[in-house]
Amino acid sequence: QKEVEQDPGPLSVPEGAIVSLNCTYSNSAFQYFMWYRQYSRKGPELLMYTYSSGNKEDGRFTAQVDKSSKYISLFIRDSQPSDSATYLCAMSSMEYGNKLVFGAGTILRVKS
Amino acid sequence: GAGVSQSPSNKVTEKGKDVELRCDPISGHTALYWYRQSLGQGLEFLIYFQGNSAPDKSGLPSDRFSAERTGGSVSTLTIQRTQQEDSAVYLCASSLWGYEQYFGPGTRLTVT
Repeated sequence: QKEVEQDPGPLSVPEGAIVSLNCTYSNSAFQYFMWYRQYSRKGPELLMYTYSSGNKEDGRFTAQVDKSSKYISLFIRDSQPSDSATYLCAMSSMEYGNKLVFGAGTILRVKS
Repeated sequence: GAGVSQSPSNKVTEKGKDVELRCDPISGHTALYWYRQSLGQGLEFLIYFQGNSAPDKSGLPSDRFSAERTGGSVSTLTIQRTQQEDSAVYLCASSLWGYEQYFGPGTRLTVT
């Protein structure tokens, strides 16, 4: 079993929809949680960073962490065709040093 | 400001040849990371540098892989006697402190 599980999709939604992307993890020691967006043939771009549990909002993006359920989410409001990309969750903890453990990524397609 | 840059963007090499991949981190970032992204394996950590030293080399898949960093800046990842399974996108990231890592565009390596 992988440490971080993420549904690869693809997830296809109409423009303007609210998108929910999720990851589950097995190691309760994870404390730092990131979401990256990766366009085709580009490097991952850091979208959101969250420490421990709770919510964080940045524009149309909201990241949620539920450590009791070992579950993290990224919500995208008013989705746009330009949001079409692969979304990767990543996480880490002191025991991992500075390396990030990534989910497999979810392919998102927003149709205009 | 300038982001992480990597060169070459694409590299095609014959099996058995050596290759060198270069990473220029964001100016002032003391930490540098190499990851590998391949179909079926996702994004995998290879090595982490803090300054010029590499406290974590745990992700290097074999002794054919090595990396160095000079002057606390540029890093080179070297793969000796390349094999077809080395074909992947090699990503470099840098950070000012551990968990907010910023990625370059990657080098797409194809071993024929």
